[in-house]
Amino acid sequence: ILNVEQSPQSLHVQEGDSTNFTCSFPSSNFYALHWYRWETAKSPEALFVMTLNGDEKKKGRISATLNTKEGYSYLYIKGSQPEDSATYLCAFMEYGNKLVFGAGTILRVKS
Amino acid sequence: NAGVTQTPKFQVLKTGQSMTLQCAQDMNHEYMSWYRQDPGMGLRLIHYSVGAGITDQGEVPNGYNVSRSTTEDFPLRLLSAAPSQTSVYFCASSEIDTDSPLHFGNGTRLTVT
Repeated sequence: ILNVEQSPQSLHVQEGDSTNFTCSFPSSNFYALHWYRWETAKSPEALFVMTLNGDEKKKGRISATLNTKEGYSYLYIKGSQPEDSATYLCAFMEYGNKLVFGAGTILRVKS
Repeated sequence: NAGVTQTPKFQVLKTGQSMTLQCAQDMNHEYMSWYRQDPGMGLRLIHYSVGAGITDQGEVPNGYNVSRSTTEDFPLRLLSAAPSQTSVYFCASSEIDTDSPLHFGNGTRLTVT
């Protein structure tokens, strides 16, 4: 059974703070690493799909890095806003397209 | 463009009943999958398919069956519902490329009493 771990489990920050979370995954049979944002009462929406070691992706104030050799990815949010409050999920894709999710990091941004 | 459509949105079953959760996508995606979401456990993969006629088990397949007779549809069958299957179920699809993200349906909230 694949083990995809995310930390911290939850995070409370003030508006304007920058924050980051970690996703750890197996370093073998790597195909891709996905990040999703999941707002309450909605469906998860894709942020990034990363496939190459050393990949860095950016979308507005959110960015992500990938280290496939050591099996981790970081998600960064610069200048957090209340609308960034959500659960952030990472998912590991191994050979065969099976995508396994971590339990998520819950982010709450206070104004 | 409807994307991924799941029906029903809500369902209550009694223990031992069977039912089928429907999932359809109109994006011509080869990859389709079913997840269940339980508190504190994130999304757990039940079954997935990489094309019509091809299905495989995920992390928690017991008590569920799937079939993929067309590219568009990927129904999930509960054979004999149990209270442990009370959960929110999400269907998701994507292109088969490794750099394609999942597109999720709106979920089905199932309660088994």
